[in-house]
Amino acid sequence: RKEVEQDPGPFNVPEGATVAFNCTYSNSASQSFFWYRQDCRKEPKLLMSVYSSGNEDGRFTAQLNRASQYISLLIRDSKLSDSATYLCVVSRDSNYQLIWGAGTKLIIKP
Amino acid sequence: DAGITQSPRHKVTETGTPVTLRCHQTENHRYMYWYRQDPGHGLRLIHYSYGVKDTDKGEVSDGYSVSRSKTEDFLLTLESATSSQTSVYFCAISARDRREAFFGQGTRLTVV
Repeated sequence: RKEVEQDPGPFNVPEGATVAFNCTYSNSASQSFFWYRQDCRKEPKLLMSVYSSGNEDGRFTAQLNRASQYISLLIRDSKLSDSATYLCVVSRDSNYQLIWGAGTKLIIKP
Repeated sequence: DAGITQSPRHKVTETGTPVTLRCHQTENHRYMYWYRQDPGHGLRLIHYSYGVKDTDKGEVSDGYSVSRSKTEDFLLTLESATSSQTSVYFCAISARDRREAFFGQGTRLTVV
């Protein structure tokens, strides 16, 4: 079993809809969590960090559920430009490594 | 955007030849990473560095070596390239007190 797992998708969503996807992690020692966005043939870019209390950045909301060991990303009022692969990342403060999910592909359709 | 550049951006090489990829940062970040990304596998860590001359192996380090003689430069060397090393290689950096990583634009390597 992979340490960080994501549904690969693709999620096909109409423009303007709300979409959510989860990422599960297996190591309870994980302490830092992030969502990255990666466009086709481009480098990953930080979308947002995920805090224990949950956090929001415009149309994006990230939440952490430590009991069930997953993080989630909610996108409201989706735009065509939101089409990308969303990568979930976890890290443990005991080392310097980031553990990456394989990504969830999102396609927003007009 | 973070000051991180990779060179070359594209390279085609023959099996058995040595190849060196360079990652250069202007952010003075302590940590530097080399990843490869292949369809179906996501990002996989090859090697990382936590300081000058301090490096360690990642999950897919076989066939790769690294060096970091200066804070700003992290080199990845394929001693004898194989077709299985055809991939997109990303360098990333992160600061000491934060875990967010920032990426270079990637190097597309093809071994024929």
